[in-house]
Amino acid sequence: GQQVMQIPQYQHVQEGEDFTTYCNSSTTLSNIQWYKQRPGGHPVFLIQLVKSGEVKKQKRLTFQFGEAKKNSSLHITATQTTDVGTYFCAGPVSGGSNYKLTFGKGTLLTVNP
Amino acid sequence: ETGVTQTPRHLVMGMTNKKSLKCEQHLGHNAMYWYKQSAKKPLELMFVYSLEERVENNSVPSRFSPECPNSSHLFLHLHTLQPEDSALYLCASSQDRSASGANVLTFGAGSRLTVL
Repeated sequence: GQQVMQIPQYQHVQEGEDFTTYCNSSTTLSNIQWYKQRPGGHPVFLIQLVKSGEVKKQKRLTFQFGEAKKNSSLHITATQTTDVGTYFCAGPVSGGSNYKLTFGKGTLLTVNP
Repeated sequence: ETGVTQTPRHLVMGMTNKKSLKCEQHLGHNAMYWYKQSAKKPLELMFVYSLEERVENNSVPSRFSPECPNSSHLFLHLHTLQPEDSALYLCASSQDRSASGANVLTFGAGSRLTVL
């Protein structure tokens, strides 16, 4: 079945360092979504990418969608302690309904102040 | 407040108990979801309701029984669960955007279930 892989599984950085998480799908995605889950919290939607090669920015966060629409990345510049959490990517199941999203296992980011 | 409210936040139950999880959304969305989140596993979709009709059932054991009486409320009835069912159960809602194929989820805070 369709798989969405995320790497790394864990990332520990010093405050001020950059961070990147990568998402790879076994199939082409019509769109990709990113969510953030703080420790003890619930996933919160960050952004959705739809177009091939799309790049979107939210302050220190930069999201990219690959040209082949099979991979995506989230880059955080100059991390802060408020960035701590697990970042998930998710894409619609190939051939499935609009309701079925396949989530990656997530990347847990910890930041040392 | 996320606009999606789940109760109870924590639940401990024995394997022979019957309990229910409740979810209410205040966002005017027309689709509601149950997800299961276990340690070291991806979020697993369990059920989806669109306009109160079940549109997805992801091979979930019958000991989990969903109910959607209207577009704002969703329940998950639990009966004779197993210890491996212990997890965080997340409710979510979305506005169906079939035309663009992109349903963005708003999650509730979750119900942490422990089965003894």
